[in-house]
Amino acid sequence: AQSVTQLDSHVSVSEGTPVLLRCNYSSSYSPSLFWYVQHPNKGLQLLLKYTSAATLVKGINGFEAEFKKSETSFHLTKPSAHMSDAAEYFCVVSDGDAGGTSYGKLTFGQGTILTVHP
Amino acid sequence: NAGVMQNPRHLVRRRGQEARLRCSPMKGHSHVYWYRQLPEEGLKFMVYLQKENIIDESGMPKERFSAEFPKEGPSILRIQQVVRGDSAAYFCASSQTGATQPQHFGDGTRLSIL
Repeated sequence: AQSVTQLDSHVSVSEGTPVLLRCNYSSSYSPSLFWYVQHPNKGLQLLLKYTSAATLVKGINGFEAEFKKSETSFHLTKPSAHMSDAAEYFCVVSDGDAGGTSYGKLTFGQGTILTVHP
Repeated sequence: NAGVMQNPRHLVRRRGQEARLRCSPMKGHSHVYWYRQLPEEGLKFMVYLQKENIIDESGMPKERFSAEFPKEGPSILRIQQVVRGDSAAYFCASSQTGATQPQHFGDGTRLSIL
């Protein structure tokens, strides 16, 4: 079984300051992990993905995330927030089997709403 | 280079009517997934389909809901005899394979039940 916990439902930062969105996961085997962003009334856009290669993953728009197996965490960071980053962010896990095959079914965290103040 | 196309974007139905939601995957993608986003909740997996096959429907309600992905044409999520609790945003995603390829999402269909 797989699950995802996003530790903050809301995060508020000032423009130009760092962003940290926290995510812990639970997975039976080797998971694939993703961060998606959702702007109001839009679909989800993939920011980045981890699939057992490098533990530090770089995504679009300056975001990156670090996979820490010992802490079962996959926190999302950005050095400097921009007003356009205001949106809802979802940490997502796709479970696999012992052989490393992912079945594709995604389990979503509850989401973190990021507010960016001028 | 069209992405995942969902229609309609907004759908209003009265209780007891049928709702049909359509999803055309990205070109070259043969795996389709449906998710539901209820108010104040995250997205929940409903069903995973390949062409003419349902692979995993563990997230589908046992009654009134069905999904298909025919050999030709879009994937359809069908809700019969809708109730107020069906009001939600329904998202479709597609991927090239069912493995570690990321899923690409459509903009969703917002279903409102009067």
